[in-house]
Amino acid sequence: DIVVTQSPDSLAVSLGERATINCKSTQRYSSYNTKYLSWYQQKPGQPPKLLIYWASTRESGVPDRFSGSGSGTDFTLTISSLQAEDVAVYYCQQYYSFGQGTKVEIK
Amino acid sequence: EVQLVQSGAEVKKPGESLRISCMASGYTFTNYWITWVRQMPGKGLEWLGRLDPTDSYAHYNPSFQGHVTISADKSVSTAYLQLNSLKASDTAMYYCARLHTDDSIRFDPWGQGTLVTVSS
Repeated sequence: DIVVTQSPDSLAVSLGERATINCKSTQRYSSYNTKYLSWYQQKPGQPPKLLIYWASTRESGVPDRFSGSGSGTDFTLTISSLQAEDVAVYYCQQYYSFGQGTKVEIK
Repeated sequence: EVQLVQSGAEVKKPGESLRISCMASGYTFTNYWITWVRQMPGKGLEWLGRLDPTDSYAHYNPSFQGHVTISADKSVSTAYLQLNSLKASDTAMYYCARLHTDDSIRFDPWGQGTLVTVSS
């Protein structure tokens, strides 16, 4: 089974500052790992929303302050300038396994 | 607009069974797989399984195999999640989502969720 681990579990960032979330997979290196890496945002009381797929491709309508990077087994989601509406839990997904989530709050 | 609309909240007793529906609109139902995800209260996302509406072939997360059944009726563009022998630990929000498999694995969009409460 693939185990996906995110770090940190939570972080507090000042408005306008950068937020970085890491995602590590136990899946043995494969060229498919990057293709099958997605990021989701879940706000309270809402279903998850797709932000990024193919590790770095933004879904249509997602603000460009959200970016994804990485390859192999290590990936990163970056929010370049945190806005109030970005307060949420963020999940990475490798294949069909999800990370445990990272809660992003305003400092 | 692509939409997945799920059936309403349910309250069940332990040992009972339950079927949740997920009605798709805005796209050709048989062109995409459907997937189901569980979210226990205050917890993360767990993948339950997926289904190809074309032939109703389903593949399950081994952790849930035998406890959940995924099916579909393509004549009404609706997928179903059946939960058997419910336990209190099945209390959770259940989401359906459209599964893209075009050289990626991504879930988009998601249904609004169906809250299932199991209590005696």
